Amino acid sequence: DTAVSQTPKYLVTQMGNDKSIKCEQNLGHDTMYWYKQDSKKFLKIMFSYNNKELIINETVPNRFSPKSPDKAHLNLHINSLELGDSAVYFCASSQDLGSEAFFGQGTRLTVV
Amino acid sequence: AQSVAQPEDQVNVAEGNPLTVKCTYSVSGNPYLFWYVQYPNRGLQFLLKYITGDNLVKGSYGFEAEFNKSQTSFHLKKPSALVSDSALYFCAVRAPTGGFKTIFGAGTRLFVKA
Repeated sequence: DTAVSQTPKYLVTQMGNDKSIKCEQNLGHDTMYWYKQDSKKFLKIMFSYNNKELIINETVPNRFSPKSPDKAHLNLHINSLELGDSAVYFCASSQDLGSEAFFGQGTRLTVV
Repeated sequence: AQSVAQPEDQVNVAEGNPLTVKCTYSVSGNPYLFWYVQYPNRGLQFLLKYITGDNLVKGSYGFEAEFNKSQTSFHLKKPSALVSDSALYFCAVRAPTGGFKTIFGAGTRLFVKA
């Protein structure tokens, strides 16, 4: 009964491939996020959805495309993967835009 | 523009001693302030938040933080540190005027020595 779950936990892939990371939350929250944490542990927002509507879209290459089929799911698709995309990607959710976030365990993406 | 500063990369404290992890922020309007903790190979866990009200906020695992508007600070404190408190701590700020985008500090690694 994990609150925010991401799959896969680890992803190793070659440059140029396309991959997806899935995220689901069972907390009934309205808002979901994707964050990127780099090797120095810096954490940066990538996207935020509120009630399936994209509300935050940071300066992220358009190779990254989020998709929210419903309020409980926010998937991240990445095209033409590059070495610099290697990082840990966290999905999170919150009850609303002003509330604290609940994070998934992360997906460690390694591009070789 | 919003910003958060955690001036210490690392804080070392002996078990049983009080600990402080510092955070200062810059934001337009009234800030929403958060502290999160990250253990190795885990996602972030929420500790506490300040939105309005009493400047002293109490959170999980015995942690508390004090909101100081004049100094634009939100330092995390605990009266008596445990070895199990050793982790990476993040301060975060969210401004309603900024589309509720959350900005995280760079993180402070806390080492508690037995």
